[in-house]
Amino acid sequence: AQTVTQSQPEMSVQEAETVTLSCTYDTSESDYYLFWYKQPPSRQMILVIRQEAYKQQNATENRFSVNFQKAAKSFSLKISDSQLGDAAMYFCAYRSAVWYEKLVFGKGMKLTVNP
Amino acid sequence: NAGVTQTPKFRVLKTGQSMTLLCAQDMNHEYMYWYRQDPGMGLRLIHYSVGEGTTAKGEVPDGYNVSRLKKQNFLLGLESAAPSQTSVYFCASSPRPKTGGGTEAFFGQGTRLTVV
Repeated sequence: AQTVTQSQPEMSVQEAETVTLSCTYDTSESDYYLFWYKQPPSRQMILVIRQEAYKQQNATENRFSVNFQKAAKSFSLKISDSQLGDAAMYFCAYRSAVWYEKLVFGKGMKLTVNP
Repeated sequence: NAGVTQTPKFRVLKTGQSMTLLCAQDMNHEYMYWYRQDPGMGLRLIHYSVGEGTTAKGEVPDGYNVSRLKKQNFLLGLESAAPSQTSVYFCASSPRPKTGGGTEAFFGQGTRLTVV
């Protein structure tokens, strides 16, 4: 079974600085999708960024970018120019392209942004 | 543009009581999920459905039942609530793969359930 590991339960960053959130996953599949979701105090789950495993190019969405290392099964999220509104829980998730119903989440990481 | 709507948003139950959580989506998605979120545990899958009339067990199905009688609705039932079921429950939906509808899941706003 696929597993997603977020080894750091909490991190903090100074406003305007850069922070990297780590995620590793375990799978024997070659085709899959990876996601980062943000959960602010409002509790709403918000998609931050997605990556298709067959794409070598790392995904980027404004201040958010990923470092996708397929061989190492690593999927880290980099937040540049951190803002107070980035403070939230962040979840890494894996979805099989074959067993599409399998959507697995990591345990999450709480990011604090200090002014 | 409602997306995924969960009802209710908050509920307090006494041990042994029953209740049903309703999830409704207006995006014509085939796949629907129920997760529970507990501190330090992330999101754990309770049950899921890949289409109207079908359901399957996830990682933590004990004590819960589900039904998908209509494509847009996915119901989660607790027949006899226990304090261990105190949690935040999330419903999610996503389109069938390779239909051009994207690969991510869309979430409801969550239901905070307390069992006393």
